[in-house]
Amino acid sequence: GAGVSQSPSNKVTEKGKDVELRCDPISGHTALYWYRQSLGQGLEFLIYFQGNSAPDKSGLPSDRFSAERTGGSVSTLTIQRTQQEDSAVYLCASSLVGRIYNEQFFGPGTRLTVL
Amino acid sequence: QQQVKQSPQSLIVQKGGISIINCAYENTAFDYFPWYQQFPGKGPALLIAIRPDVSEKKEGRFTISFNKSAKQFSLHIMDSQPGDSATYFCAASANFGNEKLTFGTGTRLTIIP
Repeated sequence: GAGVSQSPSNKVTEKGKDVELRCDPISGHTALYWYRQSLGQGLEFLIYFQGNSAPDKSGLPSDRFSAERTGGSVSTLTIQRTQQEDSAVYLCASSLVGRIYNEQFFGPGTRLTVL
Repeated sequence: QQQVKQSPQSLIVQKGGISIINCAYENTAFDYFPWYQQFPGKGPALLIAIRPDVSEKKEGRFTISFNKSAKQFSLHIMDSQPGDSATYFCAASANFGNEKLTFGTGTRLTIIP
């Protein structure tokens, strides 16, 4: 079946503009994660959605970052008033929940460049 | 306490050799330790994972060794091939893997002919 998809694949924006990044998880996966991969860095956790529970927002770097998940499926990560340090690859992952050792399946990412 | 430390940052191995990447963690609540492989322009993909109740797991040419007392784990790639050239990330998670992954900083592996 289809894997995790993300759009756009690339986004170039000017400093100060708002951007929206989209993630379509694997059908039936109730858990959805956003991570950020900066140049030469590892993957940094941003936010986690699981079913109807309140999201874990502990990784969001500032209040300019927000995310929502509509209908338990598609998720949108919004960055307001983008800064140059926001330039990174934003990765989305989804997984099943309720079984142990669930694999997180990653999308191809959205490369964000803030000029 | 959430950190996962990974070394080396880069590694060059001759074809047919053994590639070894090491990771160490601090948080004793971690109970799931996956390794992800990432090719340029792609998202990470799970390669192999281990639970803390076993000391070693082998899948084909890939082996994870796990030392719970030392809080260390490593990836061994036997008979390394040029197609193994990629970036490898170790990671850790709590709650049987049903929580966020904490990643190491990655190792860029290059296999030379």
